[in-house]
Amino acid sequence: AAGVIQSPRHLIKEKRETATLKCYPIPRHDTVYWYQQGPGQDPQFLISFYEKMQSDKGSIPDRFSAQQFSDYHSELNMSSLELGDSALYFCASSSAVLAGGPYEQYFGPGTRLTVT
Amino acid sequence: AQTVTQSQPEMSVQEAETVTLSCTYDTSENNYYLFWYKQPPSRQMILVIRQEAYKQQNATENRFSVNFQKAAKSFSLKISDSQLGDTAMYFCAFISTGNQFYFGTGTSLTVIP
Repeated sequence: AAGVIQSPRHLIKEKRETATLKCYPIPRHDTVYWYQQGPGQDPQFLISFYEKMQSDKGSIPDRFSAQQFSDYHSELNMSSLELGDSALYFCASSSAVLAGGPYEQYFGPGTRLTVT
Repeated sequence: AQTVTQSQPEMSVQEAETVTLSCTYDTSENNYYLFWYKQPPSRQMILVIRQEAYKQQNATENRFSVNFQKAAKSFSLKISDSQLGDTAMYFCAFISTGNQFYFGTGTSLTVIP
């Protein structure tokens, strides 16, 4: 079965640079979530989108922005990168109407961002 | 605010034995879902099992089962016949109407051959 796709899988950036992470949800999933997992930490919710509209916002820094496009894929844009932004960034998707509903999120493999 | 607590940072179990991972949570919501996710060394987040709060029957999924005590706000995971592939970090997670997951800090489980 198709899973959540994230690209790139690994990304190395320097301080103050910009990074863009992409997420392609499972087909027919309408909701996308972004999480940040620092080294040895539990995943922290950043932001979510439902039907291309922002649905919930967590601990996302102002330097980060995200959007969901008409094909339901999502991009997380990160500017003025800091060393502390080094983390594993997960995207998850769910469906508001399919079996499992909005409460069953399927996670992508993550993008490992390293800021040097 | 919702909080999820996993009080066991590390656990180990002999292969083929049974182990129980603890999770407690705090919420004022009445309708919510609870999950256990597994994160092996590959760092992939894999759904293990989920429980709807309105269901009294404990969820089971092959060798994995939960003990859901709603009044006590407890949600433990039992792994039977532990296998080497069960070695991973296990996260307890909570979600309610906000659709935002709240994760516990994780329990690192090692299955010993």
